Amino acid sequence: QSALAQPPSVSGSPGQSVTISCTGTSSDVGGHNRVSWYQQSPGTAPKLIIYEVTYRPSGVPYRFSGSKSGNTASLTISGLQAEDEGVYYCGSYTSSVTLVFGGGTALTVL
Amino acid sequence: QVQLVESGGGLVKPGGSLRLSCAASGQIFSDYYMGWIRQAPGRGLEWLSYISGSGSAKYYADSVKGRFTVSRDNAKNSLSLQMSDLRVEDTGVYYCARAPYYWAFDSWGQGSLVAVST
Repeated sequence: QSALAQPPSVSGSPGQSVTISCTGTSSDVGGHNRVSWYQQSPGTAPKLIIYEVTYRPSGVPYRFSGSKSGNTASLTISGLQAEDEGVYYCGSYTSSVTLVFGGGTALTVL
Repeated sequence: QVQLVESGGGLVKPGGSLRLSCAASGQIFSDYYMGWIRQAPGRGLEWLSYISGSGSAKYYADSVKGRFTVSRDNAKNSLSLQMSDLRVEDTGVYYCARAPYYWAFDSWGQGSLVAVST
């Protein structure tokens, strides 16, 4: 199972919006609504910010939103804040009854 | 407040074995699927294994299938990962995590470092 494709890095200024893409295949992202997103800061465990494509766990700000079109899922962060810096990973359930992660996208707040 | 604490990591030679444990508190442990995810130094996340609340269903990544075995003891609120035939590429931080949603992990341990080296 190949890793999902994510851009290595994205950046934005405070207050702006950024979108991170996560591209897979019809066997994972495109075939199931089981895409999740995680935020990881250096030296810490990942934090779940989106599950099942669009749902936010309790405590995650409304600024974070998820969507999917075809084989590509997206995470949008609006009203960018300095604390949003970190590496973001997508993950998707697959038809092989496994989970595959993306390679991660480093977000820099300028 | 869910808390997950991994233990059992360390330095092991190629071909060796190691058993990781994850102690859970603050939840009804048996209600949840649990998983193991690892992260090689400076690299991304890699899913390894997933186990149902009862322990009857277990799933593995191809990279560890046949070498790693996941298990749980609900009476002791404990999750384990038995690792054998370890390879240099198994080096990394190993996390246990809780899955209250389908294949998505909301609570993670602090990680346990496994180093496979001669």
